[in-house]
Order: sequence, then structure tokens, then C-alpha cells
Amino acid sequence: EIVLTQSPATLSVSPGERATLSCWASQSVSTNLAWYLQKPGQAPRLLIHGASTRATGIPVRFIGSGSGTEFTLTISSLQSEDFAVYFCHQYNIWPETFGQGTKVEIK
Amino acid sequence: QGQLVESGGGVVQPGRSLRLSCEASGFNLSNYGMHWVRQAPGKGLEWLAVIVHDGSNMYYADSVKGRFTISRDNSKNTLYLQMNSLRAEDTALYYCAKNQVPYASMVHFDFWGQGTLVTVSS
Repeated sequence: EIVLTQSPATLSVSPGERATLSCWASQSVSTNLAWYLQKPGQAPRLLIHGASTRATGIPVRFIGSGSGTEFTLTISSLQSEDFAVYFCHQYNIWPETFGQGTKVEIK
Repeated sequence: QGQLVESGGGVVQPGRSLRLSCEASGFNLSNYGMHWVRQAPGKGLEWLAVIVHDGSNMYYADSVKGRFTISRDNSKNTLYLQMNSLRAEDTALYYCAKNQVPYASMVHFDFWGQGTLVTVSS
């Protein structure tokens, strides 16, 4: 199975600052990678699919990039509602897999 | 966009069985591949199983293969997860999730249910 490794595990950022989250795949997933945001007590919500396409209604401050084995989610200017856990997800091959998550917390 | 509502969770003893349901509304379930994903308390997401739109193909994570069975009844707009031989490590919040693209197999999820909690304990 493809292992997704997210880094860092926790990211402390001040509101208005930029956040950069990474996701590495143990083998190529092409651009079949999505990012989800999860807040406490809520289900995950789709942010990015196809490595770089924002889902409907997602603000432009969320930027996805990468292909193959290296992916990045950049939040250009953190807003209060962005403090949450972010997961990457590969759907290139079964079994599908998720990264272990990056928690973005207020500095 | 629609809605997914899971049910059937609860407290069950090790070795026993449980069947989860995921009722879809606001869209035609028969057009979409569907998944089960779980999240142990305080942990990350674990993908469990997928069933294609017409039920003709399923795939499982190794951790549940041979114990869990995913199925669907498109006439009832409902997805199921039959869980047998439950273990303490199966304790988690179980989500169903929907593929965004109709009739596609390998595609991202556009939305999830709120989950149903399964606790395996004696």
C-alpha cells in the first residue's frame, strides 16, 4: 500500500501568516491527491483535489501543488477558521490511504 | 449536494458483529462509488473499503479484509458495512463518504457523513 507521510505533525502559526504543509507518497500517485480539513467534532471537508484544484467554495488562499510523490498545501494568510487538522488522501490506487495529519494551531 | 447519515453504531463485545448503515439523500446513490473510513479516538483517518456505483466491485484495507463486508442497496439509497469478529482496535468513529464524480472509481470524496461511533469492549 502507498504510505503518505505528512510534515510537520504540528504547525504553530500566527493569524495572517503563511502556512506550508507537506505530504510525501511512498510511490507515485500522479496528481490523484486530495486535501481535507477537519475541525474538532466535525467530519472532514474537501479543500483540494487533483493535487491543485480547489473544491467549490474554497477560498483562494488555499493553494495545492505537486505531483508524483511530493505535495504541498499552502495557506497564504491564515484566518481564524483555518486552525484545524489537515489530511492528505491518495486515490491513485486501492487501497486508498490517508496521511496521519498536520495540526495547524494558533501561535 | 446531498446528505449522508450513518447509523448502527454502539457498544459491542469483542468477537461480536455489528452492521452500520449510511442513508443518502439529495442525490442518486446508484451513480456513485462509496467508501467507509474510520477514525479512532484522537487519531487520524483510516480508509476501510470501497464499493463501485453498481456494487459489482469492492476493495478492502488489509486491516478489515475477511472480517468486514461493504454492500449497498441502491433501491433504498443506503450503504452498509457488516462488521464481524470485532476487536478492541476497531473502536472508532465510522464515516461513509461519497465519490464526487459519478460512475468513477478512483476519485476524491466530495462529502462525508457525521459518523457513527463503534466501541468494542467487554
